[in-house]
Parts: sequence; structure tokens; C-alpha cells
Amino acid sequence: DQQVKQNSPSLSVQEGRISILNCDYTNSMFDYFLWYKKYPAEGPTFLISISSIKDKNEDGRFTVFLNKSAKHLSLHIVPSQPGDSAVYFCAVGESGGGADGLTFGKGTHLIIQP
Amino acid sequence: ETGVTQTPRHLVMGMTNKKSLKCEQHLGHNAMYWYKQSAKKPLELMFVYSLEERVENNSVPSRFSPECPNSSHLFLHLHTLQPEDSALYLCASSQSARLAGTGELFFGEGSRLTVL
Repeated sequence: DQQVKQNSPSLSVQEGRISILNCDYTNSMFDYFLWYKKYPAEGPTFLISISSIKDKNEDGRFTVFLNKSAKHLSLHIVPSQPGDSAVYFCAVGESGGGADGLTFGKGTHLIIQP
Repeated sequence: ETGVTQTPRHLVMGMTNKKSLKCEQHLGHNAMYWYKQSAKKPLELMFVYSLEERVENNSVPSRFSPECPNSSHLFLHLHTLQPEDSALYLCASSQSARLAGTGELFFGEGSRLTVL
């Protein structure tokens, strides 16, 4: 059973509008949450993170929101730009015992339409 | 030079071949990982090495054999693979395996493996 779910395999958004990518997790032990971005033929690159003591973290056009009670996080990109077209992976981890590294979702393919 | 380098980028092999994937990190990190990315599946953690010692092996078949000769290099030796092993194999590194749950992973570009 998947511990991290990204239920939208793909998302199409018009340039300039807001892109919202969603992620749900099942294990309340997770307390650190990250988003990675992946272009074709490249490895994933770190985008933004949030720890469970916060409910929002902002970095330029990217904002991650965390709703711990719902075990849900989202990534907002505004305004969306063509270069944002990529696959976005949600990843979760535990600060207490990290040898397992991170658990990833399947990814959401974001397509920004001109 | 990029932080994490993987070679080869593409590999096609038969089921009876023996080949190896190589990963090198130039970030001074102490932990290195192998992940497998199959189509329509999440990234799956295969192996974790911390300070050259394997600390995690997630029930990976023995036809995959990792080797970490030093903190900068990681290999994945492949032997008698199956067609279902075709996937993108990603190497990653982080400052510490203990903090991997909170720290960022730095990924290589991946090795696309096709098993015929």
C-alpha cells in the first residue's frame, strides 16, 4: 500500500495561472516533507521543503502548504511559467531515523500551456 | 562538474550479461543511495550506504549487488537480470543517512537500463 499518494498523474495549467499539486500521506510519523522536480533525461532536483512545525513555507513563486490533520500537502506555483513543465515528486521523511531516506510519490506531470 | 555523476546514461543488456552502473559524488557527502524508478511507480529505495557501510537493503533481489569502495563512489553490479528490471536507476547522496529523512537528496541524472 502506498504511503505517499499523488492522485493526479498529470495536470495542465495555462501560463500565468496558479498550479496546485497535491500529495497525501498515510503515516503520521512523517514530519518532514519535500518536493522534487524532474525534467526528462535528468535526475530529480530539490525544490522546496517544510517541517511539521510549520504549515506554510514560501520560496519565490513556490509555496508549500501542510495540513497535518488531513495528512495533506500541496505545492502552489504562481505565476506558472513554461519552464515549470516537469514531473513533480512529493517526498516524505522522518527526522528521527532517516536511514530509510525518503518515501516518494509517483509524481505529477505538470504541463504549462502557453 | 555536477554534484552526482552516473555512468553509463543508457545501458542495454541481455539476461545473461554482467554489467555495472557507476555513481560518483563530488559533494563531500557521507551517504549514498540507489533508487529504482519504474514506469508509473514511485521511486523505490534499493540500497543505502553510510560511511561506506550498507545500512539498508530493501529486499532487493540478489541479482543486484551494490559496492561502495569509498564515500565518493557507489556501484551497482547487475547479473542475470530480468526484463522487468528495465527501469531508470538513480543514484543519490546526502550529508548523512541519519538525517536523510530531513535532508535533501542530491540525485544523479540516472542510468536508463533496458534488459532484453
